[in-house]
Amino acid sequence: GAGVSQSPRYKVAKRGQDVALRCDPISGHVSLFWYQQALGQGPEFLTYFQNEAQLDKSGLPSDRFFAERPEGSVSTLKIQRTQQEDSAVYLCASSLGSGGYEQYFGPGTRLTVT
Amino acid sequence: QKEVEQNSGPLSVPEGAIASLNCTYSDRGSQSFFWYRQYSGKSPELIMFIYSNGDKEDGRFTAQLNKASQYVSLLIRDSQPSDSATYLCAVKRDSNYQLIWGAGTKLIIKP
Repeated sequence: GAGVSQSPRYKVAKRGQDVALRCDPISGHVSLFWYQQALGQGPEFLTYFQNEAQLDKSGLPSDRFFAERPEGSVSTLKIQRTQQEDSAVYLCASSLGSGGYEQYFGPGTRLTVT
Repeated sequence: QKEVEQNSGPLSVPEGAIASLNCTYSDRGSQSFFWYRQYSGKSPELIMFIYSNGDKEDGRFTAQLNKASQYVSLLIRDSQPSDSATYLCAVKRDSNYQLIWGAGTKLIIKP
């Protein structure tokens, strides 16, 4: 079956631009996670949705970062006024149940801020 | 001290040998432990998870958990060149949703 998909796969933004990253989770998966992964590091948690409810946004690094999942399926991570330190791979993962025990990752979006 | 620590490697192992990967964690409240594999330029994929002290086997992979010593390890038997990747350890409390990740160990299997 179809896995988690993300778009775009690559994004180059000039500093100060706004970007929107999309995640299509596996159909029927309740839980959706966003992570940020810097080169040579493990993923860092950003935020968690259970259906349409954002239950944890404690990992969002600043108020420039915003995520939504309005209908409990597709999710969008928006970064306003991008900065160079935002350059990273943004990973989306989904899991069938709540709690996030078996997470399936999308291919990621590589964001480069110039 | 990072919450989840792994030796960055690279760990070089001859083909057919056993690869042993280790991970230590600082939060004694951690209750679930995960091993992910990440090929260069790709996203993490789940290998296995373990909740209880002791060993859990799945094919060529064995996860070992020792909560008293706060470490979890992954053994890969009969290592193949296709096992060459970065192996990420992640831990989780049941009371919240976050996975806390190590930085990963790079494993190289030499033919």
